[in-house]
Formats: sequence, structure tokens, C-alpha cells
Amino acid sequence: DAKTTQPNSMESNEEEPVHLPCNHSTISGTDYIHWYRQLPSQGPEYVIHGLTSNVNNRMASLAIAEDRKSSTLILHRATLRDAAVYYCIRSTGNQFYFGTGTSLTVIP
Amino acid sequence: DAGITQSPRHKVTETGTPVTLRCHQTENHRYMYWYRQDPGHGLRLIHYSYGVKDTDKGEVSDGYSVSRSKTEDFLLTLESATSSQTSVYFCAISGGLEWPDTQYFGPGTRLTVL
Repeated sequence: DAKTTQPNSMESNEEEPVHLPCNHSTISGTDYIHWYRQLPSQGPEYVIHGLTSNVNNRMASLAIAEDRKSSTLILHRATLRDAAVYYCIRSTGNQFYFGTGTSLTVIP
Repeated sequence: DAGITQSPRHKVTETGTPVTLRCHQTENHRYMYWYRQDPGHGLRLIHYSYGVKDTDKGEVSDGYSVSRSKTEDFLLTLESATSSQTSVYFCAISGGLEWPDTQYFGPGTRLTVL
């Protein structure tokens, strides 16, 4: 989705926090923000989603800007198993619009 | 992969030939989706289904058709494959019981059109 932009790649040291940014400046008021990740040779898998408030689950946290034009996925302690492509997604109804993804490299 | 299988997993075909990809689920989920994944584009929705015989177009539907004759199967057909349809195709399902829905993705089918 050309309206959802992410950096192509990021690096993090193992056991350090990682902040993955996403810009969705044209998001509408009822669109949700989702994050999925894709491990090599697999389909994407759910990480987290939110609408307006910050969200936490066992995998990650999602921080959503007050104007909703950007969001940040936070992995609190990166592990080698977190190396993947992370997609920021805008959803309208049941339709998902993927960003181009950020490839996360975790350095031991 | 949440009870989702795709077949075939790999296929090489020639331009102009028809191709059908199959997605099968054992979760009895209402919604099924077909996406394609290409470098620089992430995943893009081709078609989706919201019930048996109920389908709708996504953002890149030209050149593709779908059918869903029973809950568990969703077929994607390329009537006359072109090289631009070389891609990795992913099927996804969602239950339609929560808002927003979580989509569960299959393992993908790599299609090469020569």
C-alpha cells in the first residue's frame, strides 16, 4: 500500500529493544493498524493490532501516535528468532493493505 | 499454519496456459483470501470470499478469477498465465467472529510463468 511506508531494513542487537516505525498519514478514522511478521519461507503471522490506544501483548507493544498518522511496533528484547520481515498493515473492513515491510536483522 | 494448506507449493508453467491454485482449510472459517507477494510491494489482495459462492475483488484482480463451492476450498485461477503473474501466492482465512479479524496465512505457492 503506497500510503503505508516503512524503512526497508533495520538492525538490532540481541536482547536490546527494537522500535519499528510505520507512517500511515492518510489513514481514515475507522481503519485499524495491524502488524504481522513473516519468517523465511512462511506466510505472515499476526503480531498485534490497534485502533487509537497503545496496545500490549505477550509478543510486542504497539504505540499509536495521537493523530494516528504513524505507529511504532516495539519488541522489548529482540531474540534471534525475531529476525523476520515486519509488515505494517492498514485494514478497512476485512481488507488488508500491506506496507512494503521492514527486514529486521538481529545481531548476536 | 492454522489448518491451511495450499497446493501445489511450487509450479512452473508457460505463458498462455491456465493455472489453478487451491487453498484448503480445516478451520470452518467464513472468510478466505488470495494475495500475491512481489518484491517492493508487500502482499496485495487479489480476491476474497465471505461465504460459499460469495466473492469480491481486491486491489489487483485483473487476470484472476476465483471460486468457492464449499466452505473449506477457495480456488484461484489464472485463465491464461502471463509472465507478470510470476509471484508467490498466499491464501489466508479469518473467522469473521471478531472485529477486526485476525487473518491466518497458508505456506504459499511459488508460481513461475515462463
